[in-house]
Amino acid sequence: ELKVEQNPLFLSMQEGKNYTIYCNYSTTSDRLYWYRQDPGKSLESLFVLLSNGAVKQEGRLMASLDTKARLSTLHITAAVHDLSATYFCAVPGGGADGLTFGKGTHLIIQP
Amino acid sequence: DTGVSQNPRHKITKRGQNVTFRCDPISEHNRLYWYRQTLGQGPEFLTYFQNEAQLEKSRLLSDRFSAERPKGSFSTLEIQRTEQGDSAMYLCASSQDREAYEQYFGPGTRLTVT
Repeated sequence: ELKVEQNPLFLSMQEGKNYTIYCNYSTTSDRLYWYRQDPGKSLESLFVLLSNGAVKQEGRLMASLDTKARLSTLHITAAVHDLSATYFCAVPGGGADGLTFGKGTHLIIQP
Repeated sequence: DTGVSQNPRHKITKRGQNVTFRCDPISEHNRLYWYRQTLGQGPEFLTYFQNEAQLEKSRLLSDRFSAERPKGSFSTLEIQRTEQGDSAMYLCASSQDREAYEQYFGPGTRLTVT
């Protein structure tokens, strides 16, 4: 059974700081997705990582994928309050192309 | 195209009643997915269509749940004899048949069973 684990599940940090969210998964996959969810809202696609060593950046967020280690990271640089949200990683499998999601990382960025 | 749409956005029903939700995917997307999300958890995969064919069903999809996509466009998810444990956000997503298979999510239907 495919398992996706995120760490930490909850993170409170100050504006201007850097931090990394980790996503580990249990079976081989060549694709990994990062989504953002604001309270009461649906999921917004942030990054699609398609190969080993893939790195993508958008603003203050950077995601990377190591398929050999079955690990993806989401790095936040100089955090700002607007990045407060829940971040999910997801991997295909456990249901064809249906995605298996981690539990999410609830991120609070305080001024 | 404004994205994936879902109706209704909210549904309150009494235990034992049947409910049906609709999802309209992005028009050129031939893949459609249903997920369920409960408070504080990540979405859980329920089922997946490629065009009109239902290709995969999760073990979470009990026999009270049925999904259809009759013409390969919109999809419906029906829950019969609802239970309080069915209370959740039901999310629909769609994607194209391309390398990334990036899934775009709709706003969801929040179901409350009283």
